[in-house]
Amino acid sequence: TQLLEQSPQFLSIQEGENLTVYCNSSSVFSSLQWYRQEPGEGPVLLVTVVTGGEVKKLKRLTFQFGDARKDSSLHITAAQPGDTGLYLCAGARSGYSTLTFGKGTMLLVSP
Amino acid sequence: GAVVSQHPSRVICKSGTSVKIECRSLDFQATTMFWYRQFPKQSLMLMATSNEGSKATYEQGVEKDKFLINHASLTLSTLTVTSAHPEDSSFYICSASTRKAQETQYFGPGTRLLVL
Repeated sequence: TQLLEQSPQFLSIQEGENLTVYCNSSSVFSSLQWYRQEPGEGPVLLVTVVTGGEVKKLKRLTFQFGDARKDSSLHITAAQPGDTGLYLCAGARSGYSTLTFGKGTMLLVSP
Repeated sequence: GAVVSQHPSRVICKSGTSVKIECRSLDFQATTMFWYRQFPKQSLMLMATSNEGSKATYEQGVEKDKFLINHASLTLSTLTVTSAHPEDSSFYICSASTRKAQETQYFGPGTRLLVL
């Protein structure tokens, strides 16, 4: 059973379109991180959300942490080819030093 | 800040040889380091967690005698793949966290291992 369900797994869109990636769980997380990874490189931290209901913006990216801290979403406005990559959500739980990763969303933005 | 490096970035070796991968935190002290394995277009699979000066904690199904982890200092952890076989070919990524921000991990650029 996947503790952190991430969807969709693959997304192919045209430049200028909007998209949302979801991470859902039945578990409560003390914080949730979003990473972006390009081929052949390590994941790069985009944001950490900690408070239930929190919304953070990073240019065209909007991250939201659910009120119950069980889910999160990443919304990209007017996607660009440079947004192409693997997006990973990862949740931290109290008492655990490790992160629980979603399966990832492979995003391809075509010009 | 929070830069993690890995060396080598790519390695090709013959079956049966051992390969050592280094993970360094360049501008912070990493109390905990993590080693992951990643298959193409898939998410990260945690192999082990290591705390400075103590033995690594391995995830279920990961052979500790096969994947030797040493975390000798607060800035360096090493992963040695012993007697490598072609099925060990993969992308290995390390990450590090600090005592102050234990829930945030900073990742290295990864090491591509190809065993012939």
